[in-house]
Formats: sequence, structure tokens, C-alpha cells
Amino acid sequence: QVQLQESGPGLVKPSQTLSLTCTVSGGSISSGGYYWSWIRQHPGKGLEWLGYIYYSGSTYYNPSLTSRVTISVDTSENQFSLQLNSVTAADTAVYFCARVGYLSSWYWFDYWGQGTLVTVSS
Amino acid sequence: SSELTQDPAVSVALGQTVRITCQGDSLRSFYASWYQQKPGQAPVLVMYGKNNRPSGVPDRFSGSTSGDTASLTISGAQAEDEADYFCSSRDNSGKHNHVFGTGSKVTVL
Repeated sequence: QVQLQESGPGLVKPSQTLSLTCTVSGGSISSGGYYWSWIRQHPGKGLEWLGYIYYSGSTYYNPSLTSRVTISVDTSENQFSLQLNSVTAADTAVYFCARVGYLSSWYWFDYWGQGTLVTVSS
Repeated sequence: SSELTQDPAVSVALGQTVRITCQGDSLRSFYASWYQQKPGQAPVLVMYGKNNRPSGVPDRFSGSTSGDTASLTISGAQAEDEADYFCSSRDNSGKHNHVFGTGSKVTVL
């Protein structure tokens, strides 16, 4: 059973960088066949895809955030990470990591972390 | 287009059938996936592809697509099905961009 767990600071100051790590257990990122994604959810709102990475390091980002988002992978630690630069209060949200399966025109987020609340405040 | 539109709120009597719809241009090119989210919890995948249920999801959940609209049907809704439901698909911009629907709150009466 694949499990994902987010970790990182729960409070970030405005203009600084939000950094989160997702640790994967029960499966290897480097085995391929999946993307590894970050999604966020503003309080009481819907879900927003931030981007994902393949084990090889190929990355794809939400066009609305691409200038501020970086996703990286550490296959030796079986982890992937999110960095979001120049944060404002609008970046306050619960951040989830998830595994993404795909097949032709099918994509699905099949395993999710529990989520971690990040608050941007001075 | 990169929007997926859902009805904000849907209600169903216990044991009856409810259909949740998701409309968007991207669904003409990519299948939707569906997620159930209960308060304070992470979303859970309940449907993907043409009509694929992950292991552990009850068979009262089914999915379909027609044109630009995907549907998730719960046949014989149970109290535990009360939750928010989100659809998702890759958009059809030609780039890897994924969008989630606006969400539907399902209330079981």
C-alpha cells in the first residue's frame, strides 16, 4: 500500500519561500509509471493542481503559477519536494501531495497524503 | 478551455440514485476522474477512466461520459456517501495542465 506524507513548516512569512517535502513509502518513485504531484486547497474552497514531476526529473507546472513553483525529486530518499516563492496570504492553503497514474487519455490521482496546512503570515 | 463546472449542491434521499455532473471542453479529449472528500480529510479517488472503480470503492458508484460532460452516479446512496465530490481532468491546451471541478456537495437526506 503506497503512502504519502507531507512535511514542512506550517507558518511562512510573506515574500518568503514555502518548502514542503513528500515522503513516499510502500512504493518506489524511481520505478516509473507515475507522476508525483502537488495540489492545494484554499480554506473552504476547491482543489488546485500545482504541478508534477516524473522520476527522471521532468516537471510540469500549472501555467498560473509556473514562475513561482519548483518541484524536485530525490529518488535516493524516495521523496519529492515543492518550493513556492514570494508567497502572500493568498497562498495560505492545505497542501497535498499525490501520486498520479496515467494511461493514454486517462489521468488519476490515486494516493494522497493527509495534507498539511500552510499559513502565510508575519 | 480549462474549466470544469459542477453543480454546487446536490441532495438525494437515502437509498435513491443521484447523478453528479462535470462539464468542460477538456472532457472531449480526456476522461474525468472523481474524488470524494469528507471534512478534514484528503480526497479519495472513487472513479477514473471510462468507468473504473479503485479497489475498495463500492459498486454503487459508476461513471460515464458524453461529449463535454462526465457523470458520477451513486445508485442507492448511503449516509456515508455524504461528502464533497470533485472531478478532474487534464486540460486540452496541449500541455500538461490539470484542472479540478468546482465541486459538488452531496447531501443524503
